[in-house]
Amino acid sequence: SAVISQKPSRDICQRGTSLTIQCQVDSQVTMMFWYRQQPGQSLTLIATANQGSEATYESGFVIDKFPISRPNLTFSTLTVSNMSPEDSSIYLCSVEAPTGANVLTFGAGSRLTVL
Amino acid sequence: GENVEQHPSTLSVQEGDSAVIKCTYSDSASNYFPWYKQELGKGPQLIIDIRSNVGEKKDQRIAVTLNKTAKHFSLHITETQPEDSAVYFCAASGRDDKIIFGKGTRLHILP
Repeated sequence: SAVISQKPSRDICQRGTSLTIQCQVDSQVTMMFWYRQQPGQSLTLIATANQGSEATYESGFVIDKFPISRPNLTFSTLTVSNMSPEDSSIYLCSVEAPTGANVLTFGAGSRLTVL
Repeated sequence: GENVEQHPSTLSVQEGDSAVIKCTYSDSASNYFPWYKQELGKGPQLIIDIRSNVGEKKDQRIAVTLNKTAKHFSLHITETQPEDSAVYFCAASGRDDKIIFGKGTRLHILP
């Protein structure tokens, strides 16, 4: 399966600032997914990033708050903008495994704490 | 849309005993049910999955059962070991191919 590297692994941020999370995959993939995992909560899909087109956002998530870039088939970034303490979460990058549809491989995640 | 409920939220079992985690789903069109294990500081990792044309699937100490009529599925871990301690997530995927996750079960294996 694909190997996914995420940076940063963790960060402490000040309210009102923005942070960009990077996701690098060791193979070319069509779709990359960004998830949010709030403390003690489930994984919630933020958006799907396709190369060459705008990301598709899920209900409750908007591009102004979570802009996404997908410059090529192995890389994507997620920015968390104008952060508040409610944005403190683990943000996970994911791709579909070549073994089958809907089988996901996740990165280790980026743990953000907003003060 | 799909809704996945998972129980219990926390489970402690003695090493060597079995652990069972249960999930229910709401969308009868869902046809794919994966289970993920998340260890501390790592992303979730797929451990087993089942599709709706199968009632049970086993992989060594792990098994998953699916009851489509009742819309519930379960993860069974036998002969638990310390390395089984983790958070486990069930999920369901249906008509729109979106994967909806349960809230997770924190499994503690007691020595």
